[in-house]
Amino acid sequence: LAKTTQPISMDSYEGQEVNITCSHNNIATNDYITWYQQFPSQGPRFIIQGYKTKVTNEVASLFIPADRKSSTLSLPRVSLSDTAVYYCLVGDLLNNAGNMLTFGGGTRLMVKP
Amino acid sequence: EAQVTQNPRYLITVTGKKLTVTCSQNMNHEYMSWYRQDPGLGLRQIYYSMNVEVTDKGDVPEGYKVSRKEKRNFPLILESPSPNQTSLYFCASSLSLATGSLYNSPLHFGNGTRLTVT
Repeated sequence: LAKTTQPISMDSYEGQEVNITCSHNNIATNDYITWYQQFPSQGPRFIIQGYKTKVTNEVASLFIPADRKSSTLSLPRVSLSDTAVYYCLVGDLLNNAGNMLTFGGGTRLMVKP
Repeated sequence: EAQVTQNPRYLITVTGKKLTVTCSQNMNHEYMSWYRQDPGLGLRQIYYSMNVEVTDKGDVPEGYKVSRKEKRNFPLILESPSPNQTSLYFCASSLSLATGSLYNSPLHFGNGTRLTVT
């Protein structure tokens, strides 16, 4: 089971690009990397998922180096509403039926005006 | 609308009084899971289920039970709640194994149940 390590918190200002890195040194061959966003008193919400290289959607980009031991969530031009906790999750439901999906501690992003 | 529904949203109870938190999903997902969230500890998995009648322990299963008699429902049972189970609980579902792929099958979370045990 790949354990993840993220910075506890980060501060940014509106309009800036924010990069949050997650370390997962023990990632397995079949593991995917998924990022979630959580606002207070709400369930986490899917942002982006990837396996290798780069993935981009309308909300964020995900950069995964060749060794896959880390990943970086990139949020372009953040706004105040991006203030939330961001979780990196590594796992594979299909090929590891006995595996557990365990969240790390998350990164608390504070966006300031 | 595709969703995971938990009930109740808020629950205050006393030590030892059995309770059940219900979770239902309408996406035909095989995988369902329960998490608890405590300040400074992030999300910790309690139990998960890969399919009907298949359940397994997560990181913190002590004091909890689950059942998966139907695909859509995954109730969390506290037979004898204690104050250390005061927490925010989330149910989640994911993945239709029939699709054969985890990709683009993220976890869908409910809105949470805030439980207080006095």
